[in-house]
Order: sequence, then structure tokens, then C-alpha cells
Amino acid sequence: QVQLVESGGGVVQPGRSLRLSCAASGFTFSSNGMHWVRQAPGKGLEWLSVIWYDGSNKYYADSVKGRFTISRDNSKNTLYLQMDSLRAEDTAVYYCARWGNSKKLDYWGQGTLVTVSS
Amino acid sequence: DIVMTQTPLSSPVTLGQPASISCRSSQSLVHSDGNTYLSWLQQRPGQPPRLLIYKISDRFSGVPDRFSGSGAGTDFTLKISRVEAEDVGVYYCIQTTQFPHTFGQGTKLEIK
Repeated sequence: QVQLVESGGGVVQPGRSLRLSCAASGFTFSSNGMHWVRQAPGKGLEWLSVIWYDGSNKYYADSVKGRFTISRDNSKNTLYLQMDSLRAEDTAVYYCARWGNSKKLDYWGQGTLVTVSS
Repeated sequence: DIVMTQTPLSSPVTLGQPASISCRSSQSLVHSDGNTYLSWLQQRPGQPPRLLIYKISDRFSGVPDRFSGSGAGTDFTLKISRVEAEDVGVYYCIQTTQFPHTFGQGTKLEIK
């Protein structure tokens, strides 16, 4: 069965960096694009970024463009989100999601919490 | 960016009764390929989101048939034919026709 497991969250000071990982299993990782979505405490869902199955294309939300970088290592079945210049408003649970056919985000991980605080 | 607006934001429902959530987009979600990429997600308390419906009305694997989606263009609806206790949570629409993808604000479904 499809499994996505995020890791790398924690408490970080404003202005610092953090890298999140999403380990995938149960499907051919190199065949699917992948997304990152976040959810601030008590708030709704915010789409952040997508990467094509082969890493050839990437898109970002304006809120993270220039600060966050999505990448993947298909040999390790792992998706990444490099987060630089973190701000208090980046505090959220970060989810990875698989990009299935018909452009659907069909499987989601359990999420990893990032807290940006001094 | 496409703005997604859900109504209502909160919906108290009696068990066994139907429920309906509306989602409106600020522009047409019809893709150049002719499909409309509008999905519905359910988020139970303390859980990650779960896909229910995609491409307006296609039910995802394992989703009970009491959930149905309809609509076209800019107006979409999620219906639950008979609400069960396990349906409590927040429901989101999301458009994946265009980048950036955008979510509705969420509709909280609760039992009266």
C-alpha cells in the first residue's frame, strides 16, 4: 500500500533553515509527481509546491518562492523541502502528497510539525 | 491565482440526514484538455487530509457511495446522502487545474 512518511520537523529560530523529507513506499516513486502542502495551527490547507516525476519542473506558491526549494532523489524514493529564511508564519504541519493521475493529490503523509520561534 | 470560496463554513447536521457543501471558483476550472480538476478532501480531527472526490464527481478508491460530487465551470457541490458519525471533520475543495493550486477555506461538519 502507498505510504508517505514525513520527517525533519522541529523547532527552529527565525531566519534559520530546515530540510524536510518524505519517504515513499508502496508505489513506483519515480513515476509520480509530488506535492508539499502545509497547515498552520487551527487553519486551513495551503498548497506550497510541486515537482514533476523526474524533477524536470517545479512550481511554488508565492508565499514560499525564493525561500523554499523542492527536490527529490528517485534512487532513495525520497522527496525533500529545503526551507530557508524561515519566519514565524511558516509554523505549520507540513504534508507531502502524491500526484496521481487526473491531477489528484491521492495519498497524503501524516505530516511533520515545524515551529519557527525564538 | 484562482480563489476558491466554500459555503457554509460550518454545517451542523443530524445523523442520517443529508449534507451539502458548495465550492465556487473565481474563474472556470476547465483545463485546456477539456477536464475540470476539482477535488474534495476530508480531514477528520487529528488526521491528515484524505481524498474523497476528484474531477468533480469521481469517487476515490474506498470512499463510500454516500459521498457524491457535482457541478461544472465555477460551481461545485459535495453531497453526503446520509451523514454518519465518522463523517465529522473539515471538508476542503481544491482546484488542480492551474498552478498555484488553491484550496477553499474549509467547511466544518458537525453533528447537531
